[in-house]
Amino acid sequence: ETGVTQSPTHLIKTRGQQVTLRCSSQSGHNTVSWYQQALGQGPQFIFQYYREEENGRGNFPPRFSGLQFPNYSSELNVNALELDDSALYLCASRVGYTGELFFGEGSRLTVL
Amino acid sequence: RKEVEQDPGPFNVPEGATVAFNCTYSNSASQSFFWYRQDCRKEPKLLMSVYSSGNEDGRFTAQLNRASQYISLLIRDSKLSDSATYLCVVPNSGYALNFGKGTSLLVTP
Repeated sequence: ETGVTQSPTHLIKTRGQQVTLRCSSQSGHNTVSWYQQALGQGPQFIFQYYREEENGRGNFPPRFSGLQFPNYSSELNVNALELDDSALYLCASRVGYTGELFFGEGSRLTVL
Repeated sequence: RKEVEQDPGPFNVPEGATVAFNCTYSNSASQSFFWYRQDCRKEPKLLMSVYSSGNEDGRFTAQLNRASQYISLLIRDSKLSDSATYLCVVPNSGYALNFGKGTSLLVTP
């Protein structure tokens, strides 16, 4: 148990819909990152939040957006879902910028 | 060149065998490196960190060759429980982690 919890664990959406994934970070961790892991691939960095501000973003389009709340929990929102968005979405938290990352078990999204 | 490239898998080895995975990276300025382990349909978990020439933890040894820009992971006396995907990870600009595609290991009785 890493102390990072994600919800929902599985969900199915159709193309064009919107989805919100949620993450509760480990106690005391003020940095949250989101990663996308397609089948057979390594996780790809989406973005990172530190103290409620986005401070880093990977090569993902603007329809991927996020929030971090004062209690350091976080949301990932994806608009206008595409088939290629089907993946495992991993949330990870840590203290500051360079501490060890602890991953949640992920939210598995299927887009039909 | 991809930022992080790993040996193509899968590796099938018998219990007790020694197996090594290699990983190359493109960013010569990288200072720290990691190996993560990911079990089927689970989240990645940190296995080892490598900050200098290498690191050893029991049956696991990670080595770093900065001149050639590669990292290796050696597993001695393989156990059935070592079966997993091993991900080579190189931080990017200090906050994002660049993951390789992973190398699948299957240890058989």
